[in-house]
Order: sequence, then C-alpha cells, then structure tokens
Amino acid sequence: RKEVEQDPGPFNVPEGATVAFNCTYSNSASQSFFWYRQDCRKEPKLLMSVYSSGNEDGRFTAQLNRASQYISLLIRDSKLSDSATYLCVVNPSGDMRFGAGTRLTVKP
Amino acid sequence: DAGVTQSPTHLIKTRGQHVTLRCSPISGHKSVSWYQQVLGQGPQFIFQYYEKEERGRGNFPDRFSARQFPNYSSELNVNALLLGDSALYLCASSLGTPDQPQHFGDGTRLSIL
Repeated sequence: RKEVEQDPGPFNVPEGATVAFNCTYSNSASQSFFWYRQDCRKEPKLLMSVYSSGNEDGRFTAQLNRASQYISLLIRDSKLSDSATYLCVVNPSGDMRFGAGTRLTVKP
Repeated sequence: DAGVTQSPTHLIKTRGQHVTLRCSPISGHKSVSWYQQVLGQGPQFIFQYYEKEERGRGNFPDRFSARQFPNYSSELNVNALLLGDSALYLCASSLGTPDQPQHFGDGTRLSIL
C-alpha cells in the first residue's frame, strides 16, 4: 500500500464548478498535512495546511479525518487559473510524503 | 526576500558520471530536504538535513549522498549515474518542525544520456 494515495484523475470541469479531491494515508502517526499545487514543469507550491478542525481559505476548504486517515480538498467556483496538479502531502516526522497528484483542468 | 535557490537549472550527464546539485534555503530556515520527481509522479523523499545533521533518509541507494553546510546550504551528490536517475530534483527548506510546511526551489532538471 502506498503511503499517500490520491484520486488518479484527471478532473475536467467547467468554470464555476465545485470539485473535490480525496486522499488517504497509511501512517497513523502522521503529524501534519498539506495540500500543494504544481503547475506543469514547475515546483510544488503550498496551497494550504490542513488542520484537524478543518479550515478554509477563500474558495478552498480542507478537511482531515484522523480516524479514517483521510484528507480532502474542496474547490468552489473553479477558475481557469485553478488548472494544475494538486498534491496531497503527509508529514509523519519531518519528511514529507507526497501523493502522486490529481490533475485538474478547468475549461471555459 | 529570496526564496529557495537551486543550481544548476538544467544538467545533462551520461551514464556512470557523477553529479552535484546545490541548494540555498530561505534565510532563517535550518532544514533542507531533497526530493526526486519523475514525470507523472509526486516528489519522492531522498534526504532531510537539520542543523548539518542528517535527520531522515528515503529509500534511495547509497549512490545518493548529501550534506549541509554551516550556512545551511546543501549539496546532493549522485554517483554512477543511471538512466533512471533522470528526473527533476527538488530542494525544499523549512524551519524544521513537522508542523511547518516546506518551500521548494525551482528544481534541477537532470537528464542522463
């Protein structure tokens, strides 16, 4: 079993749509969680940290379920600029473990 | 403020050669991590250094080594290069605690011929 597993995608959605990404992790001792986005041939950039109580940043909402070892990211009112690969990241002990990423394409 | 800087940006080598990649962290960051990313996959953890000590090592062969200098910059060395080492090598820096996210440099794209 992979340490971090994500929806394989790709997701193709129209502008304005709501899209949700899911992620599961295997290490129950994991301490911190993040979502990164990566544009084609660029470096990953931090989108948001994920907190136990859930957190929101504008159109983006992240949820964490420690019991199920599950993380989610919800994007509302999708923009063309949201097109990217979204990486789920779990930090068990200081070294980050990445999922393979989910590709999102937002179309006009 | 300068972000994480990596050099070189691109590199072409042949099988059997060795390579040294360099990374300067964000000012004030004491932890540097190295990742390998091949096309279609997420970054794979190679090493983490904190205060010049190796803190973690991923599942990579001994051909891969790294070190961190007193100014917190870091080098990744790969010996006896194989075709499969072709990848984007990413360096990330952080304050060093698990709750702190890591910030990435632009990466070094290594091609092995």
